[in-house]
Amino acid sequence: KAGVTQTPRYLIKTRGQQVTLSCSPISGHRSVSWYQQTPGQGLQFLFEYFSETQRNKGNFPGRFSGRQFSNSRSEMNVSTLELGDSALYLCASSLTAATNEKLFFGSGTQLSVL
Amino acid sequence: GNSVTQMEGPVTLSEEAFLTINCTYTATGYPSLFWYVQYPGEGLQLLLKATKADDKGSNKGFEATYRKETTSFHLEKGSVQVSDSAVYFCALSENTDKLIFGTGTRLQVFP
Repeated sequence: KAGVTQTPRYLIKTRGQQVTLSCSPISGHRSVSWYQQTPGQGLQFLFEYFSETQRNKGNFPGRFSGRQFSNSRSEMNVSTLELGDSALYLCASSLTAATNEKLFFGSGTQLSVL
Repeated sequence: GNSVTQMEGPVTLSEEAFLTINCTYTATGYPSLFWYVQYPGEGLQLLLKATKADDKGSNKGFEATYRKETTSFHLEKGSVQVSDSAVYFCALSENTDKLIFGTGTRLQVFP
């Protein structure tokens, strides 16, 4: 069974640009969550989608947005990139939206903003 | 709000040494508690979990006990190996919220 797939693996952008990251969950999983990982802040929750609906949202500015498609694949978009957006963006999927359920993480997309 | 506090790293040990990584939490109710591990260049993997007080989660020789009285979930292993070198994250989830992670503790094990 294929794991969680994130593309691209690496991205380099400049300030002011926008970027779209993609996440394909494990087959059959309907919940997808996104996290931002930085050395200083650790892992911070961005948002969670279940059955194409955003269930939870973390404390990030409106420049960060996401969506989920009917096949459970999810995309995350960051507009007007800032230097501080440089981070590893991790996607995780789970079968349901139950809070104590195991999350399966992808390897992440490493975004560098110059 | 809910939060997780982990000991600062890195933790540096020799092979076969005893490991403890401290984790304490703040929550309004009765959260589920987790330890996730991140090996170099990879995403996080669930190591173990506990869903109620006094539960002990265990996996691959690692153990952690949910202590409500001390709001703690310390990770332990009796004899670490070089292959255990990774970053370890303590996390909690409560009600409808998704996981809240600690800042992570890097473990380095030398032969």
